[in-house]
Amino acid sequence: QKEVEQNSGPLSVPEGAIASLNCTYSDRGSQSFFWYRQYSGKSPELIMFIYSNGDKEDGRFTAQLNKASQYVSLLIRDSQPSDSATYLCAVFIYSSASKIIFGSGTRLSIRP
Amino acid sequence: DAGITQSPRYKITETGRQVTLMCHQTWSHSYMFWYRQDLGHGLRLIYYSAAADITDKGEVPDGYVVSRSKTENFPLTLESATRSQTSVYFCASSDWGFRSYTEAFFGQGTRLTVV
Repeated sequence: QKEVEQNSGPLSVPEGAIASLNCTYSDRGSQSFFWYRQYSGKSPELIMFIYSNGDKEDGRFTAQLNKASQYVSLLIRDSQPSDSATYLCAVFIYSSASKIIFGSGTRLSIRP
Repeated sequence: DAGITQSPRYKITETGRQVTLMCHQTWSHSYMFWYRQDLGHGLRLIYYSAAADITDKGEVPDGYVVSRSKTENFPLTLESATRSQTSVYFCASSDWGFRSYTEAFFGQGTRLTVV
């Protein structure tokens, strides 16, 4: 079992709708959770982080974390064509050898 | 310039050759990471380091060697390159406690082709 799991997609969403991206993780030592966006040929860039149970909102983005279910999600409201990208879920695991593990990414396509 | 830089950006090498990918960061972040990215696999952790002279294996370490004699540098060496190591390699750095979370900042990537 991979430590961080995501549906690979592609996920196709009409412009203006809500895009919902999901991620599950296996290590209960996970401390912080991140969503990165990656455009084709570019480096990943951080768009959201969350470390407490519940919701965190930043503009059109909302991250949701449920540590009991080991589940983190990203909602994108009012989806725009510029949101078309691959979204990577990442988990910071704090231990004697702390590390950041990524999921395989979900490709999101916003159709006009 | 402040930030994290990788070199070279593009590299073509032959099977069996040794090749080193360089990574340099100017923030004095304690954590540094090497990932490879292949279609369908997202970012897979190769090696990581919590501080100078401390390194650990990640998910896919076979065929790679790292060192970290200085905090700011974290080179990745392919001892004898194979075609399966053709990939895009990303270096990242992070610092526990900075703004109370540990965002990873990425370099621009190195596209390596082994022929």
